[in-house]
Formats: sequence, C-alpha cells, structure tokens
Amino acid sequence: DTGVSQDPRHKITKRGQNVTFRCDPISEHNRLYWYRQTLGQGPEFLTYFQNEAQLEKSRLLSDRFSAERPKGSFSTLEIQRTEQGDSAMYLCASSLAGRGTGELFFGEGSRLTVL
Amino acid sequence: AQSVTQLGSHVSVSEGALVLLRCNYSSSVPPYLFWYVQYPNQGLQLLLKYTSAATLVKGINGFEAEFKKSETSFHLTKPSAHMSDAAEYFCAVHSGNTPLVFGKGTRLSVIA
Repeated sequence: DTGVSQDPRHKITKRGQNVTFRCDPISEHNRLYWYRQTLGQGPEFLTYFQNEAQLEKSRLLSDRFSAERPKGSFSTLEIQRTEQGDSAMYLCASSLAGRGTGELFFGEGSRLTVL
Repeated sequence: AQSVTQLGSHVSVSEGALVLLRCNYSSSVPPYLFWYVQYPNQGLQLLLKYTSAATLVKGINGFEAEFKKSETSFHLTKPSAHMSDAAEYFCAVHSGNTPLVFGKGTRLSVIA
C-alpha cells in the first residue's frame, strides 16, 4: 500500500511528557500537511511543508509544537510538555503541488490522550 | 479568508431515504470544494470534488453534489441511503495555495 501512513496510531501519555508523531506521505507528493481534530470538530490546519520547507504555520501551533520534514520525505510532529488540551487526533495529509486541484490524501491519524 | 458552514451537526435518515447534507462556503476567489467522509477511527476519504468544470459532481458510493455560485452552496446528496453510509461527512474549501479549510462536520445516522 502506498498511501499516507502515520505512527503511532494511538499514544497515551502523562501531562508534561513529550510526544512525537511520524508521517510518511505518498512517495511522489511534495506537500505534507498536519491537521488536528478534536471531538465533534472538523480538522484544523496546523502547518504544511513543500519539500523540506515549512511554508505556513497556524496560530494553533504554539511554541510547544514543532514540525520537521528534514529531507522532504517523512515528517515528524513533536509536542513538548503536553497538556490535557493537546488530546486530539493528529492527521497527516499529502498532495502534489501544481497538479490537480489540491486534493489532500489523509492518513488514518495518530490519536493522543494526555492524562 | 475562506470558511465553510455545515448546517446540522447530526442528520438521521431511514434506509432507502434521500440523504441531503448542507454546506455553504465563503471565498473571495473561485473556490475548489470537497466532500470528505470519515468512518470511525479512520482517516478522511475523498468523496468528490468541484474544480470549476461541471457544476454537478458525481462521487463515489452514489453521492453527488451541486455547486451553486448564486447560493454559495455545495450540498451533498444521495438518492437512497444505505446502512454503510453512516459516518461523519466534512465539506472543505480552498483556493490557490491556501490550506484546505474544513467545516465542523455532519454525522449521518441511517436507521433500518
């Protein structure tokens, strides 16, 4: 399967701990997005990369959050000093810039529970 | 700024009945519009998309949507609901290089 993959699928952590999520996009896609989804809400944009460059960050992305895409392939999203409000599904998506309509292909998400 | 409003956080229909999920958008430039579906504990799957070609768009699983510029709407319909259609549906908009903006979603329940 060559879809978007995310790891881990589920993460339970204690408040104050750091967590890291990984996303592997569809191989030929040059854009990679991170979204956050809380219960009863639609996905909210966090940040996106084109190749290795981080082009836009939402104001939702506080200084405890950092995302990287070092070689323009996979990406990591790290949350430092987690808070209970960080509990959410973190969705990764990829697309091919300049082709088509900007359709995003989503992974199955990484669910974070902060106790 | 772009935005999407989905009317009704929860819609319940009988099996075999018409499905109508409403979406209104706001965009200062011609938009691209999408409907995604999300099954429990899964990621989002594209149902259909409007790309400024035909205003009536057909998607997977018998769904279709009609772009109406005068009403700034992109409602999703299916003539006959099936139990397997029960899921969360999201309308989304973007234009140019802006990130995709999602509505809050509508949960569809199908009653046997």
